[in-house]
Amino acid sequence: DAKTTQPPSMDCAEGRAANLPCNHSTISGNEYVYWYRQIHSQGPQYIIHGLKNNETNEMASLIITEDRKSSTLILPHATLRDTAVYYCIVRVDGSSYKLIFGSGTRLLVRP
Amino acid sequence: GAVVSQHPSWVICKSGTSVKIECRSLDFQATTMFWYRQFPKQSLMLMATSNEGSKATYEQGVEKDKFLINHASLTLSTLTVTSAHPEDSSFYICSAEGGRGWDEQYFGPGTRLTVT
Repeated sequence: DAKTTQPPSMDCAEGRAANLPCNHSTISGNEYVYWYRQIHSQGPQYIIHGLKNNETNEMASLIITEDRKSSTLILPHATLRDTAVYYCIVRVDGSSYKLIFGSGTRLLVRP
Repeated sequence: GAVVSQHPSWVICKSGTSVKIECRSLDFQATTMFWYRQFPKQSLMLMATSNEGSKATYEQGVEKDKFLINHASLTLSTLTVTSAHPEDSSFYICSAEGGRGWDEQYFGPGTRLTVT
């Protein structure tokens, strides 16, 4: 079973920041938080991951609370192409560790 | 980023026949590949994990004799759906990672299977 809880859907206006929350209250000390997204009828795309520090890359920022029980994915300037299902996944880092997908958040970016 | 391809992108077959789906890592060697299945409006469900040169590990509830997985080389894994039935119609997606030091899996574009 997935170890994360996400709202089923969200929307935001184009050009504004999209903040997607995720709860992972049972996360273990060696588990990372990963974010993937899936645009309709395509394979998932890796976005970002982190352990306990906040992370930023060219796609997004990841904010993890100090107790690591929740996190927020931030898309700073959402575009219409960011409309997708966003999955928050906790996973032990390293090779060969499987990803267990939950139901995700369906983000709709409005023009 | 690393590229994973799947072939075919879509396939229609008749009930009772077998269908093979290929997953290739194009610019890296994939020590581990994963196969997922996704029904309409649902999330991805992991079917099995395969390591090059060894037998696949199937998730609970996935019939290994029906979904044959072969990971014969570091760049190719195949999923064969044997004796397909209409309920096997789904979106099949593979992913791959390159071993120690790799942080993320890279996903293929998926294969849509329709069994008539």
